[in-house]
Amino acid sequence: AQKITQTQPGMFVQEKEAVTLDCTYDTSDPSYGLFWYKQPSSGEMIFLIYQGSYDQQNATEGRYSLNFQKARKSANLVISASQLGDSAMYFCAMREGYSSASKIIFGSGTRLSIRP
Amino acid sequence: DAGITQSPRHKVTETGTPVTLRCHQTENHRYMYWYRQDPGHGLRLIHYSYGVKDTDKGEVSDGYSVSRSKTEDFLLTLESATSSQTSVYFCAISERGPEAFFGQGTRLTVV
Repeated sequence: AQKITQTQPGMFVQEKEAVTLDCTYDTSDPSYGLFWYKQPSSGEMIFLIYQGSYDQQNATEGRYSLNFQKARKSANLVISASQLGDSAMYFCAMREGYSSASKIIFGSGTRLSIRP
Repeated sequence: DAGITQSPRHKVTETGTPVTLRCHQTENHRYMYWYRQDPGHGLRLIHYSYGVKDTDKGEVSDGYSVSRSKTEDFLLTLESATSSQTSVYFCAISERGPEAFFGQGTRLTVV
């Protein structure tokens, strides 16, 4: 069954340090996509980065990169040079396959706090 | 920004009353989703739709029903609201591409 696990409920990181947010997933479908979203205190969901299961290289978007380890079924988010504005909830999500009924499920999230 | 609107944005209702939340999109996306967000649980999928009149249950569908009679609208109905359904509800839309766009959320309080 499709499942996303985020094992870090909360993290504190010093400003300008790099941070890794963990995400593991479970699926039997060889075709899937992995997402990361940011939710600041204002509540909106902000898309950060996407990795397809057949993508050969790790996805990157500015300071965000996704460390995709397919054999380990992990899709960790790496934020380089953290900033105070990075303080937020972060959610990992997955969509299985390309069937007509394609749902997206989320992990429980990690609350990241950046210390000045 | 993706054209997705949720209404109402805030609602207080009494236990036992029916409630309908609306998600409206202007992007002509095929997939639409309803999630609820509660502390410690992240976003949990309630129902989703993969086309007009094509819907399926998610992880926490009990007590909820949905309808999609046209591409742009996806309605979530609580037939008889309970206090356990107090939550923030998010609608999302997507195609098969790498993004899903979210509405701004509806804060529902059942008293």
